[in-house]
Amino acid sequence: KAGVTQTPRYLIKTRGQQVTLSCSPISGHRSVSWYQQTPGQGLQFLFEYFSETQRNKGNFPGRFSGRQFSNSRSEMNVSTLELGDSALYLCASRSTGSENIQYFGAGTRLSVL
Amino acid sequence: AQSVTQPDIHITVSEGASLELRCNYSYGATPYLFWYVQSPGQGLQLLLKYFSGDTLVQGIKGFEAEFKRSQSSFNLRKPSVHWSDAAEYFCAVGRALTGGGNKLTFGTGTQLKVEL
Repeated sequence: KAGVTQTPRYLIKTRGQQVTLSCSPISGHRSVSWYQQTPGQGLQFLFEYFSETQRNKGNFPGRFSGRQFSNSRSEMNVSTLELGDSALYLCASRSTGSENIQYFGAGTRLSVL
Repeated sequence: AQSVTQPDIHITVSEGASLELRCNYSYGATPYLFWYVQSPGQGLQLLLKYFSGDTLVQGIKGFEAEFKRSQSSFNLRKPSVHWSDAAEYFCAVGRALTGGGNKLTFGTGTQLKVEL
């Protein structure tokens, strides 16, 4: 079974631009969560999507948004990029059965110049 | 709100030596507890998990962890470290959210260096 796939692996953007990151979950998983990892703040929860609906949201500004498609693939968008948005963005998928485990992709490394 | 503390930011051990990484959590209910490992430039790989039952859990790569409710701890151990174990290790607590969602709260991580 293929794991969680995130594309692209690396991105370089400039301040003020917007960016879209993509995540394909493990086949059969319907829940997708996004996390931001930075040296200063560590790993922080951004939001979770299930059945195309945002179910939960972390403490991030409205510039961070996401969506989920009917095939459970998810995208995350960051508008009006700031230098502080430079981070590793990790996607995790979870089966909604009794196994309450999140499986992570390799991440997208975003650098904002 | 739940929180996770990993008191050791860096740990250095010699190859073949035993290892214990500490994790303390704060959570009102019975927690879901996890250890993940992250190699440079990579995502998080699940090492092991605790949901309920036997408090000593076995994971991949020879790792084990013990849940101690009285100490609010979930320390990770390995009897003999290999050079390939050098990585960053994260302890996390999972929490079910209203509406059926789920969220992980992570510790700040422990960077493990292995000396040959």
